Amino acid sequence: GQNIDQPTEMTATEGAIVQINCTYQTSGFNGLFWYQQHAGEAPTFLSYNVLDGLEEKGRFSSFLSRSKGYSYLLLKELQMKDSASYLCAVRDRGDMRFGAGTRLTVKP
Amino acid sequence: SAVISQKPSRDICQRGTSLTIQCQVDSQVTMMFWYRQQPGQSLTLIATANQGSEATYESGFVIDKFPISRPNLTFSTLTVSNMSPEDSSIYLCSVEDRGDHYGYTFGSGTRLTVV
Repeated sequence: GQNIDQPTEMTATEGAIVQINCTYQTSGFNGLFWYQQHAGEAPTFLSYNVLDGLEEKGRFSSFLSRSKGYSYLLLKELQMKDSASYLCAVRDRGDMRFGAGTRLTVKP
Repeated sequence: SAVISQKPSRDICQRGTSLTIQCQVDSQVTMMFWYRQQPGQSLTLIATANQGSEATYESGFVIDKFPISRPNLTFSTLTVSNMSPEDSSIYLCSVEDRGDHYGYTFGSGTRLTVV
């Protein structure tokens, strides 16, 4: 089986930094992905990690440790528009499987 | 990235009826994926649609309930058959992005309410 665990909800302040953690178990790891989903909209791709380490893309960074089955998404300089659900997903051979998502609320 | 046109965007249907959801991709893709997202929950893979062969269904989903067509490399349909209120959900199609990453691009989703 495959489990992907991430916190259900998080709250942070505008301008701050927030880290969303994700742990996973998989039999055929082939990449870890983060998606952003605003309420009522489809998910959009944020980041991709297949090797250990940190991938930085503007205000967003994603980290992967394959040996620990662990990833995090780091959001810097938070803006109100960052309020959304963040989905951790693992590519298990050919299929993309999603965690339940972390609902992030950014407050002024 | 691929662009996917999905329709209808929403519908309210009577129980016992069927609804067909369409997805059109602006490029040829080998596989298309159909997901369901129930209120407040994450995405669950229903099936993978390959052109020229039967779709591959995940555990808990069957062809009689969710028949899928894939007549060519740019188009697919998902039918939700004999609907009940438990089928109320958002249905999304997606394709793999063959650019600089291998994440998925999603259609805009179909919000289905069964009454």
